[in-house]
Amino acid sequence: QSVLTQPPSVSGAPGQRVIISCTGSSSNIGAGYDVHWYQQPPGTAPKLLIYGDTNRPSGVPDRISGSKSGTSASLAITGLQAEDEADYYCQSYDRSLSVVVFGGGTKLTVL
Amino acid sequence: EVQLVESGGGLVKPGGSLRLSCAASGFSFRSYSMNWVRQPPGKGLEWVASIFSTGSYTFYADSVKGRFTISRDNAKSSLYLQMNSLRAADTAVYYCASENCTNSDCFYESWGQGTLVTVSS
Repeated sequence: QSVLTQPPSVSGAPGQRVIISCTGSSSNIGAGYDVHWYQQPPGTAPKLLIYGDTNRPSGVPDRISGSKSGTSASLAITGLQAEDEADYYCQSYDRSLSVVVFGGGTKLTVL
Repeated sequence: EVQLVESGGGLVKPGGSLRLSCAASGFSFRSYSMNWVRQPPGKGLEWVASIFSTGSYTFYADSVKGRFTISRDNAKSSLYLQMNSLRAADTAVYYCASENCTNSDCFYESWGQGTLVTVSS
């Protein structure tokens, strides 16, 4: 059971918009700690996608965005492309556990 | 270009030991805290250990504390993970990752390709 809860899977057709949620609590996201997102295509290593809730590293397209409100965060991908098919993980810090925590991951399928 | 290349994984019996290495290039290795993050087959990511840029401070997940030791050699731009008393639950792909921080919140900026550790009799 992960401290940060993500839906196991989401799907969308090419060109559509999908949102992946990451739900935490008052000891992590709700405490104001930043949320970061990683993309992991099949058989490859994770790659940083969003840091500090909303910031994109260079090379990440602006059709990918992050947001945060209360005890939850979201990753939005618009103009879905086949190359977006991957597992996505959120990450934050939990002050009660005093450790970095990850969500359980969400598998995005492009139909 | 940032490169992190792990090595040292393999098959080991329960109770055995293994030492992982991560060779870094393309960035100022000595300026960054470094981490090991693992991923059991078919499962999610788990932070394992971290080490300050100077090597003066180290931190461990409870699941590995007392069994694993993280270290670094800044002169060689290399990160290490000594794993002792290995258990089946330690079976995973182990990634080394460089750390960056916004305010006091840190994230994993660059990742290696990973090395598979299998603990089985």
